Amino acid sequence: AQSVTQLGSHVSVSEGALVLLRCNYSSSVPPYLFWYVQYPNQGLQLLLKYTTGATLVKGINGFEAEFKKSETSFHLTKPSAHMSDAAEYFCAVSSGDSSYKLIFGSGTRLLVRP
Amino acid sequence: EAQVTQNPRYLITVTGKKLTVTCSQNMNHEYMSWYRQDPGLGLRQIYYSMNVEVTDKGDVPEGYKVSRKEKRNFPLILESPSPNQTSLYFCASSLLSRGPYYGYTFGSGTRLTVV
Repeated sequence: AQSVTQLGSHVSVSEGALVLLRCNYSSSVPPYLFWYVQYPNQGLQLLLKYTTGATLVKGINGFEAEFKKSETSFHLTKPSAHMSDAAEYFCAVSSGDSSYKLIFGSGTRLLVRP
Repeated sequence: EAQVTQNPRYLITVTGKKLTVTCSQNMNHEYMSWYRQDPGLGLRQIYYSMNVEVTDKGDVPEGYKVSRKEKRNFPLILESPSPNQTSLYFCASSLLSRGPYYGYTFGSGTRLTVV
């Protein structure tokens, strides 16, 4: 069965520092992978997704992620953190079945220090 | 503006009092789904619908009902709410005709408290 593990429920970085949020997945079929961001009191917004093709995926707000099949990873990075990046981030993998559901990780809350 | 609209945003109710959370989308999406979000557990699917009159259970359907009488609406019904259904609920929709997982659009969420 498909699953997602996000390492670190909380990550704290200084403004201007590299952001690295980790995501590892388990999938019995070629996965589609997603990162979503949730700002306080808001719904989830798609940051980026990997379906097929180029393994380095660029998203909104300067974020990018690299699909590494050998490591079953899809880590999210941003070279320089802004205060506005403070939010909760969710990694998700496609279910691979007819439900078309997304299977989410438990989330990582990003704190950005001034 | 393309969006998924949920109502209400906040709801406090008592155990056993039937309630409905509404969800409506204006994008002509075939696929709609309900998720609940709980701390440390991420989001888990409750029910989903591929199209009008086609619904199926997700991972945590116990205590919930849904209906899909119109393409745009997908209400979530709690016939007899219990405190363990206190959670943050999200409705999402997607355009299946562009391929599965093309991209979900999420509503803003409904925070439900059952006392």
